[in-house]
Amino acid sequence: GAVVSQHPSWVICKSGTSVKIECRSLDFQATTMFWYRQFPKQSLMLMATSNEGSKATYEQGVEKDKFLINHASLTLSTLTVTSAHPEDSSFYICSAATGVVWQETQYFGPGTRLLVL
Amino acid sequence: DAKTTQPPSMDCAEGRAANLPCNHSTISGNEYVYWYRQIHSQGPQYIIHGLKNNETNEMASLIITEDRKSSTLILPHATLRDTAVYYCIVSLGGADGLTFGKGTHLIIQP
Repeated sequence: GAVVSQHPSWVICKSGTSVKIECRSLDFQATTMFWYRQFPKQSLMLMATSNEGSKATYEQGVEKDKFLINHASLTLSTLTVTSAHPEDSSFYICSAATGVVWQETQYFGPGTRLLVL
Repeated sequence: DAKTTQPPSMDCAEGRAANLPCNHSTISGNEYVYWYRQIHSQGPQYIIHGLKNNETNEMASLIITEDRKSSTLILPHATLRDTAVYYCIVSLGGADGLTFGKGTHLIIQP
């Protein structure tokens, strides 16, 4: 149980294009999903918290107009990197929270590797 | 900044118990201790979490000191597949995003 998928697993795009990444909770519903980013040899950094049916909450320094998040259902959140540039190349990982109320656990997807040329 | 301190790396022989320490001296009363691990180029995998009592599941045991200022993750019989970066994280759980530190790179030696 508690499986989270991401699609695509990797993507290469040209500078200036937009890329959409999907995050799905396969066997549970998640009111809250999270998006993280990981640069090479660094740890994961939280980008934003996504709540179903409401606007995402972005961490300081993360541009909300560049990283568009949509959490349209209890099993799907999407991250769109708009007008991607080489510095946006990174490993993007989502997670979904489930479990006992007030001590929910986050389960992570396998990640999406983005390379912007 | 992460609220935990972990050794950057550890070695352990295959088949032996791996004991990974974590200091979290500023943990608040309602924060849980969560452990995750990340195998190279994959998303983090949840291992275990606890509040103040020791916990055990099919993957590991979590020992939390009485003052809750430190904890130890125990992998009872380490295998080569346990080689990964292990993250100790304190969190309120639920809607709280996780703050990852640098973790401990555990290397299981054959």
